[in-house]
Amino acid sequence: DAKTTQPPSMDCAEGRAANLPCNHSTISGNEYVYWYRQIHSQGPQYIIHGLKNNETNEMASLIITEDRKSSTLILPHATLRDTAVYYCIVRARDFGNEKLTFGTGTRLTIIP
Amino acid sequence: EAGVAQSPRYKIIEKRQSVAFWCNPISGHATLYWYQQILGQGPKLLIQFQNNGVVDDSQLPKDRFSAERLKGVDSTLKIQPAKLEDSAVYLCASSSGTSPYEQYFGPGTRLTVT
Repeated sequence: DAKTTQPPSMDCAEGRAANLPCNHSTISGNEYVYWYRQIHSQGPQYIIHGLKNNETNEMASLIITEDRKSSTLILPHATLRDTAVYYCIVRARDFGNEKLTFGTGTRLTIIP
Repeated sequence: EAGVAQSPRYKIIEKRQSVAFWCNPISGHATLYWYQQILGQGPKLLIQFQNNGVVDDSQLPKDRFSAERLKGVDSTLKIQPAKLEDSAVYLCASSSGTSPYEQYFGPGTRLTVT
């Protein structure tokens, strides 16, 4: 699985868009980008995933660059409840081996 | 729909004692995972079950850790004997066959070994 690089921490003002970057320069053509987050004292929560097209759901948007070497998770209107550690994970779909390898992620703090 | 249930939420034991954790996955989810999360790190997979069979236990310290998933539903993870370095949060997750990378996690069990 491709290695990912994320900033260790970020701050964002409440109500503003939070843009979390992830670098995955060694990504292969069959590898997807997955985002999870972990709020304090809770288990990780799936947010969104994508292959090469931009994706949007009720929680966030995922923007993947054309060369697929990096991506950005966008929380459009951050609230205090979005304070969490955000994990970017890259891996191929291998049914029967769905292990997720978590790094240390980005600690996002939403400032009132 | 009910989420992944885990118990206990907290456990404190002395080293060399044994401990067991229980997990009830989301109804209908065939795949169940146990992760270990040490403070300041991301979760690390210990074992993955598909129904009641083991798919991946390559990172499970088999000399002290064991896990089972009887009847393909609930699962237990046991540590015997515990070491200080086993202090961590133990997370259970489950997923369906149609979306295996959308894993649903329980709240975890925080284990402290003294």
